[in-house]
Parts: sequence; structure tokens; C-alpha cells
Amino acid sequence: EAQVTQNPRYLITVTGKKLTVTCSQNMNHEYMSWYRQDPGLGLRQIYYSMNVEVTDKGDVPEGYKVSRKEKRNFPLILESPSPNQTSLYFCASSDHQLNTEAFFGQGTRLTVV
Amino acid sequence: DQQVKQNSPSLSVQEGRISILNCDYTNSMFDYFLWYKKYPAEGPTFLISISSIKDKNEDGRFTVFLNKSAKHLSLHIVPSQPGDSAVYFCAATRNTGNQFYFGTGTSLTVIP
Repeated sequence: EAQVTQNPRYLITVTGKKLTVTCSQNMNHEYMSWYRQDPGLGLRQIYYSMNVEVTDKGDVPEGYKVSRKEKRNFPLILESPSPNQTSLYFCASSDHQLNTEAFFGQGTRLTVV
Repeated sequence: DQQVKQNSPSLSVQEGRISILNCDYTNSMFDYFLWYKKYPAEGPTFLISISSIKDKNEDGRFTVFLNKSAKHLSLHIVPSQPGDSAVYFCAATRNTGNQFYFGTGTSLTVIP
């Protein structure tokens, strides 16, 4: 079954404690990206990756890091989380960056206290 | 600076009637547009897309219309069904770009 898997689904953490949200896809997609969803702001792109070792900033990259060492994995790293990073996060992948439908993961609900 | 806007946070429609969801954009360089549907506790799923070389694209009960001069697109669902109740996001990108811009979403409720 084609899918994008994010872990964990829910996470409560404290300010400043480094965390990683994992994302894995089994469709051999080149393009992967991270979004955050906030009330009244919709989905905003954090980072995206066009292929292995190729990453770039989206609209709201501050406070986040990513890496793309393998095609299937695209982890999101928060080195020093702050309360304003409390949000619902989605990972997505697509066949290539040009205008094909994206498959989204189930989401990760992150709360930073 | 929201480059893609969905000005109606919510919409209620009777089952069997037409649902029309609207989306406006500000960047004239956008040339590909997509609609996604999102149920609670799930990730968004792709619904339909349209390229700027077209002004209409149909897929079953779903039709997307694009008015480039007005920088406006709309999603029509006919007939609406209770299972269509969800949040709908429109998204835009440039053919030569890699960033996607999403609207704030419209919550559609189809009343049986």
C-alpha cells in the first residue's frame, strides 16, 4: 500500500529539548516536503526536498532543520523547540516537484510547553 | 503575506445541491492549482488540479474553474453528498518552482 508514515502521531515536549519527527514514504518519490497547519493560517510549507541531499526552505523554515540522506526518509528536526512551534505537522511526497498530486502523512500533533 | 486566500471559512449545503468553494491568489506567476480534501485526524488527500493553460477541469462530480484574469479559481461539487463534508484546501505553485502555497481552508458541511 502506498503511504507516507510519520512518527510520532502525538508529542508533548518542553521548550529547548531537541526532537525529531520522522517521515518515510514507500513510493520512491523524489519530492518530499513538510508543512505545518495552524488555525486561520492553513498549511504552510516549512522545507522541501527535490531529491537526496537536495533541500530548500519553504515559507516558514525558522527553527527547523531537515535532512535527506535517503530517498525514502525526510526527518524534521527541531533543535530547540519553542511554544510557537506548537502545531499540526504534515509530511508529503510526490513523484516529482512539478505539479503532481502530493500524498500526505497522517500528521503529527506537537505541543511545546 | 497570504498568497492564496480562501475567504469563506465555512459553507453549508443541502445534500444533492451544488457546493461552490472559492479561492483567490495574488501571485500572477502561479500556473498550476490543486484542491485537497481533509477529514479530521487525517492528512489531506488530492482531489483535482488544473493548469493555467486550461480554464476548466472535470473529474466526476468535481469541477475546477480557473479565471486567470481575476486570479480566481473555484471548485464545484455536484451533487453534494454527506461524505463530502470536510475541509477543502486550494494550493498553487509555479511550473518552474518547487514551493506550494496553500489557502486557509473552507470547511464544507453537507446536510442530509
